[in-house]
Amino acid sequence: AQSVTQLGSHVSVSEGALVLLRCNYSSSVPPYLFWYVQYPNQGLQLLLKYTSAATLVKGINGFEAEFKKSETSFHLTKPSAHMSDAAEYFCAVSDQFYFGTGTSLTVIP
Amino acid sequence: DAGVIQSPRHEVTEMGQEVTLRCKPISGHDYLFWYRQTMMRGLELLIYFNNNVPIDDSGMPEDRFSAKMPNASFSTLKIQPSEPRDSAVYFCASSLKGINYGYTFGSGTRLTVV
Repeated sequence: AQSVTQLGSHVSVSEGALVLLRCNYSSSVPPYLFWYVQYPNQGLQLLLKYTSAATLVKGINGFEAEFKKSETSFHLTKPSAHMSDAAEYFCAVSDQFYFGTGTSLTVIP
Repeated sequence: DAGVIQSPRHEVTEMGQEVTLRCKPISGHDYLFWYRQTMMRGLELLIYFNNNVPIDDSGMPEDRFSAKMPNASFSTLKIQPSEPRDSAVYFCASSLKGINYGYTFGSGTRLTVV
């Protein structure tokens, strides 16, 4: 079975600072990995996905994530946080499509 | 494209009543998923369909829950009888290529059972 662990249920950053949201996966086979964003009272929106084509994946809204097999990680980053980035972020893995518990991002003006 | 459409957006019902949630997937998407989101349990996959056929319903919590997909453009999730612990946000999502590809989620139905 596959699973993901999101480290940190709440992350706060200042506007303009680096955003780093952590996700580690557990898988015995090369996984498909995803990051989704959920704004208040909305459904989840796909940010980016890793499907083994390239280890650095670029997504929407300036986000990117790097697949590191040696660390079993798929952390989400953005160089400069914007107020509009405040939301809940979910990491997910394929197979049974298990979602992490989510990380709430707060951006401080 | 209008995206995945769910109705109603909000539903308040009394314990014991039947509740039906509806979903219209994106045209051409062969996979449809029902999820439940709560603070305690996060996002849980309830059931998914491929070409209108239920593939995995192991996430359906109990017999009070049932889901159908009579055609490619419509699915329902029914709870009968409803209980207060069923209160949650229920999401429908669809996918063109399957479980290893990204999904498009609807806006969800917030269900409150009193």
